[in-house]
Amino acid sequence: EPEVTQTPSHQVTQMGQEVILRCVPISNHLYFYWYRQILGQKVEFLVSFYNNEISEKSEIFDDQFSVERPDGSNFTLKIRSTKLEDSAMYFCASTAGGGSYEQYFGPGTRLTVT
Amino acid sequence: KNQVEQSPQSLIILEGKNCTLQCNYTVSPFSNLRWYKQDTGRGPVSLTIMTFSENTKSNGRYTATLDADTKQSSLHITASQLSDSASYICVVHGSGNTGKLIFGQGTTLQVKP
Repeated sequence: EPEVTQTPSHQVTQMGQEVILRCVPISNHLYFYWYRQILGQKVEFLVSFYNNEISEKSEIFDDQFSVERPDGSNFTLKIRSTKLEDSAMYFCASTAGGGSYEQYFGPGTRLTVT
Repeated sequence: KNQVEQSPQSLIILEGKNCTLQCNYTVSPFSNLRWYKQDTGRGPVSLTIMTFSENTKSNGRYTATLDADTKQSSLHITASQLSDSASYICVVHGSGNTGKLIFGQGTTLQVKP
């Protein structure tokens, strides 16, 4: 069964460094998402991406964040200058269609900022 | 403010027993409601999706109900198994086609032998 994959599974970085989290969505999916989950808290929406552009973003998704689909398979989340509070689990998700379609989540990347 | 609230926060039951988890939401407009299962350190996995016109949906031992008038949903787990130990999250999709999901805090279920 097709699945969303994410790399790395765990990333440790120093405050102020740039990180890129990578995702490979399910191949025929059209909508892509990033969510984050701070330890012990609820999953929060960051951004949705469709047709090579951001379709919606949350207030968390400030200028330090960017997303890109550099080729036909990868979907990346970049954090330009990490802060301690960026430490969280980051989940990528994809779906074949819009709102009412099933969203499939990847296993997540645990980001630790020291 | 669009919110999804769940109760109880945590629950311990014995293997083989049934349980019901509750969800209240204030998301408006409302498109659909989902229940996800999340194992520790893993991504959420969908159990059910219900639109506003559906009031019940089953997936094996999981049965979700929805009352769109009172904005309440429940997830009933029948004949629990040890592998049901996880966090169960109520998630609401408001409107529009972007697919943005609003998550509840989750109910942590522990099934004991």
